[in-house]
Amino acid sequence: NAGVTQTPKFQVLKTGQSMTLQCAQDMNHNSMYWYRQDPGMGLRLIYYSASEGTTDKGEVPNGYNVSRLNKREFSLRLESAAPSQTSVYFCATYRGIGELFFGEGSRLTVL
Amino acid sequence: QKEVEQDPGPLSVPEGAIVSLNCTYSNSAFQYFMWYRQYSRKGPELLMYTYSSGNKEDGRFTAQVDKSSKYISLFIRDSQPSDSATYLCAMRTTGANSKLTFGKGITLSVRP
Repeated sequence: NAGVTQTPKFQVLKTGQSMTLQCAQDMNHNSMYWYRQDPGMGLRLIYYSASEGTTDKGEVPNGYNVSRLNKREFSLRLESAAPSQTSVYFCATYRGIGELFFGEGSRLTVL
Repeated sequence: QKEVEQDPGPLSVPEGAIVSLNCTYSNSAFQYFMWYRQYSRKGPELLMYTYSSGNKEDGRFTAQVDKSSKYISLFIRDSQPSDSATYLCAMRTTGANSKLTFGKGITLSVRP
């Protein structure tokens, strides 16, 4: 089982460029999440999707959009990248009781 | 005051030491408590989960919760270099709009 797969693993953008981070899961979980992790800031929730067809803002949604394409896939889009969006991005699914399954992360640098 | 506070670290200990990692919280609605472990350049993975005050043991790891004092701890006995990682505490409220909140994490290094 692959679990949670994120693509790309690394990306360098210039300020103002757009890109989409892809996430796919094979765990048949309803809920999916996008977090960013920055030094000294911990994990911060960007957006989440409780089920197919629904999305909600998390703690730091500004500058991002999401799409829950189907039960398996949850994408995160940066329309106009800014240096402040340089971070490591994690997609996760939720089994329940607090157990999140994370992907390996996507490292994004915005110059 | 942030809802979840975690000792900032980093922490460096010799192999075989007993390690104590701590988090405090202010929201009494937190009812479920987790510890996640994150190796370098990997995603976090659930290490331990508990929902009641007291101790829960799993091999060399013990999770302790004190709801009356609002703190949780993770103890690692006979620490090994393979325990070197970042440890994040996490807490969840109950109910339909339950919220999961992470601590900022502490990086542990176990020296051979």
